[in-house]
Amino acid sequence: EPEVTQTPSHQVTQMGQEVILRCVPISNHLYFYWYRQILGQKVEFLVSFYNNEISEKSEIFDDQFSVERPDGSNFTLKIRSTKLEDSAMYFCASSRSWLRTYEQYFGPGTRLTVT
Amino acid sequence: AQSVAQPEDQVNVAEGNPLTVKCTYSVSGNPYLFWYVQYPNRGLQFLLKYITGDNLVKGSYGFEAEFNKSQTSFHLKKPSALVSDSALYFCAVRGLDQGGKLIFGQGTELSVKP
Repeated sequence: EPEVTQTPSHQVTQMGQEVILRCVPISNHLYFYWYRQILGQKVEFLVSFYNNEISEKSEIFDDQFSVERPDGSNFTLKIRSTKLEDSAMYFCASSRSWLRTYEQYFGPGTRLTVT
Repeated sequence: AQSVAQPEDQVNVAEGNPLTVKCTYSVSGNPYLFWYVQYPNRGLQFLLKYITGDNLVKGSYGFEAEFNKSQTSFHLKKPSALVSDSALYFCAVRGLDQGGKLIFGQGTELSVKP
């Protein structure tokens, strides 16, 4: 069964550094998402992406964040200058459609630790 | 605004007993509701969804969920719990905006003891 994959599984970085989190969505999916989960808290939406454009972003997704689909398979989340409060589990998800009837499939996550 | 609430942080059940994990929602228009499960150190796995039609929805691993419009609830159920069902369960509603984001509840930790 096709799966969403994410690399790395764990990233440790120093405050102020740039990080890039990578995701390979399911191959025939067209909509891509990033969510994050701070330890002990709920899963929060960051951004949705379709046709090489951001469809929607949350207030968390400020100028320090960016997303890109650099080729036909990868989907990346970049944090330009990490803060301590960016420490969280970051999940990538993909869906065949934006239609609300379609479920999203999640990757295993990247645990980002900012020191 | 769309929102989902899971009133219980933790549910404890004995193996073999029925389990219920509660979820209530607040939406504008028709709700599109989902349940996901998260095992330790794993991503979220889709369990089931309610879109329209029959109020009882069947999903993966023997789970089902009952949609109740009058009570704005979408409780997850299983007739006979297994120890391996122990995990974190999230209820979610699909957002109205173009991107179709999921809006999650805070999660319920299910613990099934032998």
